[in-house]
Amino acid sequence: QKEVEQDPGPLSVPEGAIVSLNCTYSNSAFQYFMWYRQYSRKGPELLMYTYSSGNKEDGRFTAQVDKSSKYISLFIRDSQPSDSATYLCAMVDNAGGTSYGKLTFGQGTILTVHP
Amino acid sequence: ETGVTQTPRHLVMGMTNKKSLKCEQHLGHNAMYWYKQSAKKPLELMFVYNFKEQTENNSVPSRFSPECPNSSHLFLHLHTLQPEDSALYLCASSLRDRGYEQYFGPGTRLTVT
Repeated sequence: QKEVEQDPGPLSVPEGAIVSLNCTYSNSAFQYFMWYRQYSRKGPELLMYTYSSGNKEDGRFTAQVDKSSKYISLFIRDSQPSDSATYLCAMVDNAGGTSYGKLTFGQGTILTVHP
Repeated sequence: ETGVTQTPRHLVMGMTNKKSLKCEQHLGHNAMYWYKQSAKKPLELMFVYNFKEQTENNSVPSRFSPECPNSSHLFLHLHTLQPEDSALYLCASSLRDRGYEQYFGPGTRLTVT
């Protein structure tokens, strides 16, 4: 079993739709949960991170973490063609010592928002 | 220059060549990372440097040799690579105690012929 599972898609939605992207994980020690966006021929760009369980909102983006289910989500409201990219989830336990910065990534979901 | 820069952006090398990838961060960070991104596979962490000291080598073959002369610069020296090493190599940086908040460069697209 992979440590982080993410449906690679591809996912295609019309402009203005609500998009839901998800990851599941197996390591209960993970404490920080990140979402990155990667445009074609670019490096990943950090969208937002969440510590432990709960919700975090930033403009049209909302991240949710349910540690009891080992499930995280990213919602994009009023999706735009400029949101078309690959979305990567990542997580880390950050317990200190040698775990610093050792992110574990999902495979990434390819999203296309068509006008 | 701002953020994290990487050179070259594209590299084609033969299996017997020796080349180096360069990464520079302009963010005042003190931790740097090398990742490998292959098609249809998750990003793989290769090396971690904290305050110029290597703290992680994720079972990477010795044909990949990292070097971190200071907190702002990171190199990946390549020699006798295999075709399966063709991938996008990404550099990232962060503050050491905020390793969950990493900032990536644009990557070097490497092709081994």
